[in-house]
Amino acid sequence: DAGVTQSPTHLIKTRGQHVTLRCSPISGHKSVSWYQQVLGQGPQFIFQYYEKEERGRGNFPDRFSARQFPNYSSELNVNALLLGDSALYLCASSPGTVSEAFFGQGTRLTVV
Amino acid sequence: GENVEQHPSTLSVQEGDSAVIKCTYSDSASNYFPWYKQELGKRPQLIIDIRSNVGEKKDQRIAVTLNKTAKHFSLHITETQPEDSAVYFCAASLTDSWGKLQFGAGTQVVVTP
Repeated sequence: DAGVTQSPTHLIKTRGQHVTLRCSPISGHKSVSWYQQVLGQGPQFIFQYYEKEERGRGNFPDRFSARQFPNYSSELNVNALLLGDSALYLCASSPGTVSEAFFGQGTRLTVV
Repeated sequence: GENVEQHPSTLSVQEGDSAVIKCTYSDSASNYFPWYKQELGKRPQLIIDIRSNVGEKKDQRIAVTLNKTAKHFSLHITETQPEDSAVYFCAASLTDSWGKLQFGAGTQVVVTP
């Protein structure tokens, strides 16, 4: 029974570049959420998608965008990377209209 | 929006003792409260959750209590073991929010033999 999978696991980018992170939810889950976790802090909500529509957006700049595909997988895109974007990016999938969120292992993004 | 505060930030306990972590939330409409355990370099794992129509829930050595009036909830770990050492996060959300969670800042729990 596959859990939430994210790719890549680690990534190093230069300031100003853009990055695309990918997530595949648990089979049968239709909701995907993205979180940013800075070292030593709790995850911060970025986006939520359900049935390919954006259902929620956190307090992040427009450089952050996301989308969900017909197979419920999702991408998170970040443009014009800043040093402060260095963090663990977590994807979580949920069954739908309930709140249990199950996290992937995350993508560790380092911006240099 | 919802704000979740978590205390303490670090907690050191002797093996076999109990550990208690407390969280408060601001939005009285929140009705779902999960707890996550995150070991170093690993994903947050859901360990227990509680909904607002329940005051207490237990799962072996772990229990969560909820006081809706005071808007606070707590995680209790009994008979702590070294493998309980991790960072624990509380969170709050609305049941129909499809997984949108507001997290606390985390508690680093260290269980010493």
